[in-house]
Amino acid sequence: QQPVQSPQAVILREGEDAVINCSSSKALYSVHWYRQKHGEAPVFLMILLKGGEQKGHEKISASFNEKKQQSSLYLTASQLSYSGTYFCGTAVSNSGYALNFGKGTSLLVTP
Amino acid sequence: DSGVTQTPKHLITATGQRVTLRCSPRSGDLSVYWYQQSLDQGLQFLIQYYNGEERAKGNILERFSAQQFPDLHSELNLSSLELGDSALYFCASSHIPTARTDTQYFGPGTRLTVL
Repeated sequence: QQPVQSPQAVILREGEDAVINCSSSKALYSVHWYRQKHGEAPVFLMILLKGGEQKGHEKISASFNEKKQQSSLYLTASQLSYSGTYFCGTAVSNSGYALNFGKGTSLLVTP
Repeated sequence: DSGVTQTPKHLITATGQRVTLRCSPRSGDLSVYWYQQSLDQGLQFLIQYYNGEERAKGNILERFSAQQFPDLHSELNLSSLELGDSALYFCASSHIPTARTDTQYFGPGTRLTVL
């Protein structure tokens, strides 16, 4: 049930954009995005519920396509502070007490 | 600072030993989740408690057990430790029993090293 994230890693220059994808083989109820800096705890970014909504948080936004069981995280005009590993956590529709996390996408923003 | 506390921060022990990791959730949160994070597997869900009762089980080994106490703090017990148990162990807390719609706040983690 672990969702698949792509790409595994990406390197950007400051100001560039990036897209991180998360896909599941199961019908999803919600998708949760977290960012983790090295050696620190994952920090919550946003939740997307089924209904195909799109959410934004400053220059970080995400979409959820429940028909395709996919979510994408969009980082625009990236800043150095965006560096870290991004995880998506998914809650499947027929259960949902816990999240299944992908293996993460490592993002490095360089000056 | 998420408001979730975990102790100890680091733990170094030998194979075959038993250790206890402790987690205190955010004030008002009734749900506690335990995760194991190793380099090649990402965040693996172990177990969840809500208001003292076990709610969900993930990939938790039989050598591992957990409980949540009346004051809502939780402990994860790891026994007969093996080298492969070396990892970062996180707990997270949330307010309601289901993860589907609620935000989980992660603690700083306990780094376990088994020698």
